[in-house]
Amino acid sequence: DIVMTQSPLSLSVTPGEPASISCRSSQSLLNSNGYNYLGWYLQKPGQSPQLLIYLGSNRASGVPDRFSGSGSGTDFTLKISRLEAEDVGVYYCMQGLQTPLTFGQGTRLEIK
Amino acid sequence: QLQLQESGPGLVKPSETLSLTCTVFGDSISTSTYYWGWIRQPPGKGLEWIGSSHHGGGTYYNPSLKSRVTISVDTSKNQFSLKLSSVTAADSTVYFCARHAWGGSGKAFDVWGQGTMVTVSS
Repeated sequence: DIVMTQSPLSLSVTPGEPASISCRSSQSLLNSNGYNYLGWYLQKPGQSPQLLIYLGSNRASGVPDRFSGSGSGTDFTLKISRLEAEDVGVYYCMQGLQTPLTFGQGTRLEIK
Repeated sequence: QLQLQESGPGLVKPSETLSLTCTVFGDSISTSTYYWGWIRQPPGKGLEWIGSSHHGGGTYYNPSLKSRVTISVDTSKNQFSLKLSSVTAADSTVYFCARHAWGGSGKAFDVWGQGTMVTVSS
């Protein structure tokens, strides 16, 4: 199985400031089609996860442009350019290159 | 707008079979190119993919659960289902149903149900 490792596991950020979460995979997620099979999700308190980013850097429909994804191979980053109160929750990365599909442990983001 | 809704018993006895259904609203399972999957999450913990299935065939399971899991698609009811046999307390989690493409979006789950809690207890 591909192991996904996130850091940090918790993060406290002042509104308006940037935030960054790292995700590393135990194997390269670069598919033969040139795309990285890496997605980012946010699970707000009491809700189901919602897709933020797919294929490493593509924002899902309706996702604000303050969210961006970058990276390739085994190292990926989710950045929030200016944190808003509604961004609190747990962020997960997920690899879709191989089954079983696997998630990172999650990063809890809270407002400072 | 596509919506998914899980349903099923919230309490299952140990050693019995857990059965959940996910009803799809706003799209047809039979005309869709998407896969339909199940993910679970123990309270306060991370996410575990259980498996995914396509109406035209092609079902994939997490090897850690494969011997106990069956996922099937019922196009006549626009539903897909999860059956997990021989359950124990470790299977007491929130179960989510979700949709994903198999290739185009890197298998990202773009639509999720609200989740349903299942407790295994006698």
